[in-house]
Amino acid sequence: QKEVEQDPGPLSVPEGAIVSLNCTYSNSAFQYFMWYRQYSRKGPELLMYTYSSGNKEDGRFTAQVDKSSKYISLFIRDSQPSDSATYLCAMSAGQGAQKLVFGQGTRLTINP
Amino acid sequence: DVKVTQSSRYLVKRTGEKVFLECVQDMDHENMFWYRQDPGLGLRLIYFSYDVKMKEKGDIPEGYSVSREKKERFSLILESASTNQTSMYLCASSLTGAIEAFFGQGTRLTVV
Repeated sequence: QKEVEQDPGPLSVPEGAIVSLNCTYSNSAFQYFMWYRQYSRKGPELLMYTYSSGNKEDGRFTAQVDKSSKYISLFIRDSQPSDSATYLCAMSAGQGAQKLVFGQGTRLTINP
Repeated sequence: DVKVTQSSRYLVKRTGEKVFLECVQDMDHENMFWYRQDPGLGLRLIYFSYDVKMKEKGDIPEGYSVSREKKERFSLILESASTNQTSMYLCASSLTGAIEAFFGQGTRLTVV
């Protein structure tokens, strides 16, 4: 069983829809929860991160962590075609980037 | 801006060849990483280096070696390329203790 599970999709939604991306994990030591965005033919870039449980909002993006359920989510409101990308969740127990564990990535397409 | 540059975007090599993938970062980061990215498997860590001449194995080091002679440069070596090493290779760097990793644009390697 993988430490981090993420539905690879692909996921295709119309412009303006609310998108929900999710990951589950098994390691209760994870403290930092990240979402990376990867555009086609580019490397991943950090979109946002959350420490421990709770919510974090950044513009149209909201990250949620539920440590009791070992479940994290990324919500995208008013989705735009420019949001089309692969979204990767990543987690760390706090030892820095050398201990990142990535999900498989979800390929998202926003249709105009 | 942090810049991580990989020497090639696309490479085609023959089975049995020795292959060098080069990566340079310009932000004086201590840590550098090599990942491979495959559909359905996400990012898997091959090797990382936390200092010049220092390295640690990641999750899938078999068939690979690395070299870090200078702080800004991290090389991935495929000693004898095989078709199952056909993949997207991503280099990344980070500061010690930081959770954010900065990625290069990737090298798509095809072994025929």
